[in-house]
Amino acid sequence: GENVEQHPSTLSVQEGDSAVIKCTYSDSASNYFPWYKQELGKGPQLIIDIRSNVGEKKDQRIAVTLNKTAKHFSLHITETQPEDSAVYFCAASNAGGGADGLTFGKGTHLIIQP
Amino acid sequence: EAGVAQSPRYKIIEKRQSVAFWCNPISGHATLYWYQQILGQGPKLLIQFQNNGVVDDSQLPKDRFSAERLKGVDSTLKIQPAKLEDSAVYLCASSPRLSGGGRVTQYFGPGTRLTVL
Repeated sequence: GENVEQHPSTLSVQEGDSAVIKCTYSDSASNYFPWYKQELGKGPQLIIDIRSNVGEKKDQRIAVTLNKTAKHFSLHITETQPEDSAVYFCAASNAGGGADGLTFGKGTHLIIQP
Repeated sequence: EAGVAQSPRYKIIEKRQSVAFWCNPISGHATLYWYQQILGQGPKLLIQFQNNGVVDDSQLPKDRFSAERLKGVDSTLKIQPAKLEDSAVYLCASSPRLSGGGRVTQYFGPGTRLTVL
């Protein structure tokens, strides 16, 4: 089955700086890679996703890059703000088929220092 | 548009007792998932339904866990009997299913926090 590794487990950055979180996956059949943000006591919320036919996607301060050959993808947050503090999860799945449940990484606790 | 609803939000039980969780997906979403999230870890898929049929239950501990989705809308997840290691947040997610399976975005509910003593 799929295995997703995520690093770092904790990331502390100064407000206004950039943050980068990296993930690797093992199953070459995976073709859908979402990123979720989870705040305390809440369910994960999708912030951006990318499909394997695209190398990069950007949405305002958030961007995701995908390297299919190396089987890794990264989340980039620029101009970080206090409200970006949360736990971020990467995930992978083989979308478009029948079974497309997500395999998640262990999460990154992002701390924005004022 | 209302999100995924789950109840109860919190549940505390003794080991060997039974417990059930309820999920109401976003209206019109054909696919429903249950995930288990142990403290400090990412969610882990337990079961996936497409309408009222099971698509994937390979990671569901079937000796104690069961789930159903009658009429292809609401779903319940049951644990009987509970063990200490079942303490976790149980998340329900739903996804629309357009023709060809193109849309796969999963929307999560707030979860049910289970504590087994």
